[in-house]
Amino acid sequence: ETVMTQSPATLSVSPGEGATLFCRASQSVNDNLAWYQQKHGQPPRLLIYAASTRAIGIPARFSGSGSGTEFTLTISSLQSEDFAVYYCQQYNNWPPLTFGGGTKVEIK
Amino acid sequence: EVYLVESGGGVVQPGGSLRLSCAASGFIFSRYDMMWVRQAPGKGLEWISYISSSDTTMYYADSVKGRFTISRDNAKHSLYLQMNRLRVDDTAVYYCARAPPPTIYGVVTHYYFYMDAWGKGTTVTVS
Repeated sequence: ETVMTQSPATLSVSPGEGATLFCRASQSVNDNLAWYQQKHGQPPRLLIYAASTRAIGIPARFSGSGSGTEFTLTISSLQSEDFAVYYCQQYNNWPPLTFGGGTKVEIK
Repeated sequence: EVYLVESGGGVVQPGGSLRLSCAASGFIFSRYDMMWVRQAPGKGLEWISYISSSDTTMYYADSVKGRFTISRDNAKHSLYLQMNRLRVDDTAVYYCARAPPPTIYGVVTHYYFYMDAWGKGTTVTVS
């Protein structure tokens, strides 16, 4: 099983500042990596797939990068609606499909 | 617009059974692979099952293998999860999710197994 590790667990950021979230895979997943955003009480929403491709309707302030085992999600200037939990998911080595434990982005 | 609406959750005793349903609309259901993903209270996301568009291939997480069965009825645009021998640690919100369709580049077909649409979830409590 490919284990996905996200860091940090919590990130405190002021509105307008940038944020960088990290996701590491225990073995190569090539670029088969997705990022999701989940707000409290809501289902996850797809942000990024293929490591760096924004999903339909996702603002340009969200960007993904990386390949192999190291990935980042960057939010260039946090808006109030961006404070949420973010998950990465690999879909290269499966079953099982695996998610990271999540990074909570909170208001500083 | 894509809609996925789960139903069938509830409170059940350990060892009991439940059948979850997911009604799909806004897209051609028969062309899409589908998944179930769950989230225990205060925890992260856990993929639990996959079914191909043609209903020929199914996969399960080890945590549910042998107890849960995924199925679909393309004529009814519906996805199902039969859950037997439920345990306390099966308590979670259960989400139905869609995988994007494959893309064909010449003779090569690329398949994708992320989730591009999600339902709002249905809550299962085993207690």
